[in-house]
Amino acid sequence: DAKTTQPPSMDCAEGRAANLPCNHSTISGNEYVYWYRQIHSQGPQYIIHGLKNNETNEMASLIITEDRKSSTLILPHATLRDTAVYYCIVRVADTGANSKLTFGKGITLSVRP
Amino acid sequence: EPEVTQTPSHQVTQMGQEVILRCVPISNHLYFYWYRQILGQKVEFLVSFYNNEISEKSEIFDDQFSVERPDGSNFTLKIRSTKLEDSAMYFCASSLAGKQFFGPGTRLTVL
Repeated sequence: DAKTTQPPSMDCAEGRAANLPCNHSTISGNEYVYWYRQIHSQGPQYIIHGLKNNETNEMASLIITEDRKSSTLILPHATLRDTAVYYCIVRVADTGANSKLTFGKGITLSVRP
Repeated sequence: EPEVTQTPSHQVTQMGQEVILRCVPISNHLYFYWYRQILGQKVEFLVSFYNNEISEKSEIFDDQFSVERPDGSNFTLKIRSTKLEDSAMYFCASSLAGKQFFGPGTRLTVL
C-alpha cells in the first residue's frame, strides 16, 4: 500500500470547516483513499473513502486532486466531538477483498470552543 | 445501526496466564480482524480471518496468538502465555465490502 504523509496536528474553531490534508504521491491506480478517525482510545471509526472522484456523506467530504497525489478531508461544521486523530490510509480494493488497514500516526485535530 | 461488540472491556492478568478476548462481529460480515494499540503508539494489524482460516498475519502474531470463530457469531483472540509487552488495547473489526467497522476495544493489562 502507498505511504501517506499528514501533518501531526491542527486546530480549528467550533462551527468552522476543518480541512485535513494528506499526501499520497506514490498512490497506484487501483488504490483507494480511506479516512478513519479515533476519538480518545475508542476503536477507529470509518469516515469516507474514494478513488478519484470527490465524495460526500453525512460526516464529511473528500476532495482528491486530479493527479490523485493528495486529498483533503473536509468536516464542514466542526464540533467539539470531532476532536480526534484522523488517519488517511491508502489501500487497494473497495470490494469484499480482504485487506488490512495500515495506520500511521495520523493528524490530531483539536476543535476549540 | 449494527455494531461490533467486544468483551471484556478491561482484562487484567498475570504474566504467563492465558487470556481470551471476545468479539461479536456484525452479523452479515465476512472478514474479521484483530488490531492492537500499545498506549501512545499506532494501531497495528495483527491478523485477518476469512472463511474460517487466517488470511494474513503480521510479525506480531506469533505462536502465542491464535484466533477462532467457534460458533458462527463470536470471533476470539487467544494469547497463550501473556507477556508484559502484550499490554495494549485490542480492537476487533469486521467488514463486508471494503469498510472495516471496529469494536470499542478490550484493554489488556499484564502484570
